[in-house]
Amino acid sequence: DVKVTQSSRYLVKRTGEKVFLECVQDMDHENMFWYRQDPGLGLRLIYFSYDVKMKEKGDIPEGYSVSREKKERFSLILESASTNQTSMYLCASSLPNSYGYTFGSGTRLTVV
Amino acid sequence: KQEVTQIPAALSVPEGENLVLNCSFTDSAIYNLQWFRQDPGKGLTSLLLIQSSQREQTSGRLNASLDKSSGRSTLYIAASQPGDSATYLCAGTSGGSYIPTFGRGTSLIVHP
Repeated sequence: DVKVTQSSRYLVKRTGEKVFLECVQDMDHENMFWYRQDPGLGLRLIYFSYDVKMKEKGDIPEGYSVSREKKERFSLILESASTNQTSMYLCASSLPNSYGYTFGSGTRLTVV
Repeated sequence: KQEVTQIPAALSVPEGENLVLNCSFTDSAIYNLQWFRQDPGKGLTSLLLIQSSQREQTSGRLNASLDKSSGRSTLYIAASQPGDSATYLCAGTSGGSYIPTFGRGTSLIVHP
């Protein structure tokens, strides 16, 4: 069964810490995405990548960066975590023709 | 820009009822439309994907239809069960883009 795996289900970090969220897919997908999901706001796109070492800003990139050194791995980085970054983070991947999206199980990040 | 709306935001039905969830989109040049299920605190699970050349897709008790001319997709759930309780999201991808636009979801409760 094809999968998108997010390394942590739950994370608790302190304000100001540098935080890494990891996402790995085993489907050889070119496109990868990072979303955050908050009650009442739905899914919001943070960053996406359509190829190794390529990245594009989504709707809310401020306070985040990403890294894609290998095709299967897409990392989201919070340079200096803040309490307003407490959220559910979801990773997804797809083929170039957008033939459907596969999501990971999510990471619930709490910044205290 | 594609906009996706899901009405109602919440729905509560008795077990055994057949029900329809609605998804409306503004851009008729839609490339595909995908329905997802999300359980509390979890990631998104793909249910059905309809390509623009298709009218509907079926999986078990689920049937999704796509009408590009009216800008609507519906997810039909037959003989609902308490285990169907979850949030259902639709996402549309317009031609020329590989970024899906998500609705806010319909929260479904099926009570025994």
